[in-house]
Amino acid sequence: EADIYQTPRYLVIGTGKKITLECSQTMGHDKMYWYQQDPGMELHLIHYSYGVNSTEKGDLSSESTVSRIRTEHFPLTLESARPSHTSQYLCASSDGGLRGEQYFGPGTRLTVT
Amino acid sequence: GDSVTQMEGPVTLSEEAFLTINCTYTATGYPSLFWYVQYPGEGLQLLLKATKADDKGSNKGFEATYRKETTSFHLEKGSVQVSDSAVYFCALSNDYKLSFGAGTTVTVRA
Repeated sequence: EADIYQTPRYLVIGTGKKITLECSQTMGHDKMYWYQQDPGMELHLIHYSYGVNSTEKGDLSSESTVSRIRTEHFPLTLESARPSHTSQYLCASSDGGLRGEQYFGPGTRLTVT
Repeated sequence: GDSVTQMEGPVTLSEEAFLTINCTYTATGYPSLFWYVQYPGEGLQLLLKATKADDKGSNKGFEATYRKETTSFHLEKGSVQVSDSAVYFCALSNDYKLSFGAGTTVTVRA
């Protein structure tokens, strides 16, 4: 079982603030992913990484950015938060198989006021 | 592209009832298939998986069989409990990415 951590779990922040959502995994997985999800609704892939210094945009356009400087760490940054960014953000990692499963963190619930 | 269609909810059942959630998929090649479960306020947990045709995944009383001829992966449980109340997502994995269904909310009443 993979261990994948996200902080903070809950964040309430004002419009215009810069925020970084943290995601770390201890399994040495090469592949990591960020999803955006309204509670109980469909997941939308917003960013992914296949390894250090590799990042790609996902299927859903997002104003956020990501970086992958270390294998275990995949932070997501919003330069200027807006109310439309209010959502749940889920991080996941995979051990790299072409058709392998992904392991999910507990999520960060973001509210922008 | 790849896609997953699952039965829309919400589904409300009494304890010990039989649960079925339908899932069909469209994909190139030979994807792996999964069911994930999400409890309130949490991330997704892998419930079961199947990696090739006719495989049956099972866990915690839930079962699903990979049917290539009907491109389906329906989830079943014979006797649900209140603790099974959650959102269930069908997903397929292909080319290092997951494609998810829209999720089905299941509520089990005592």
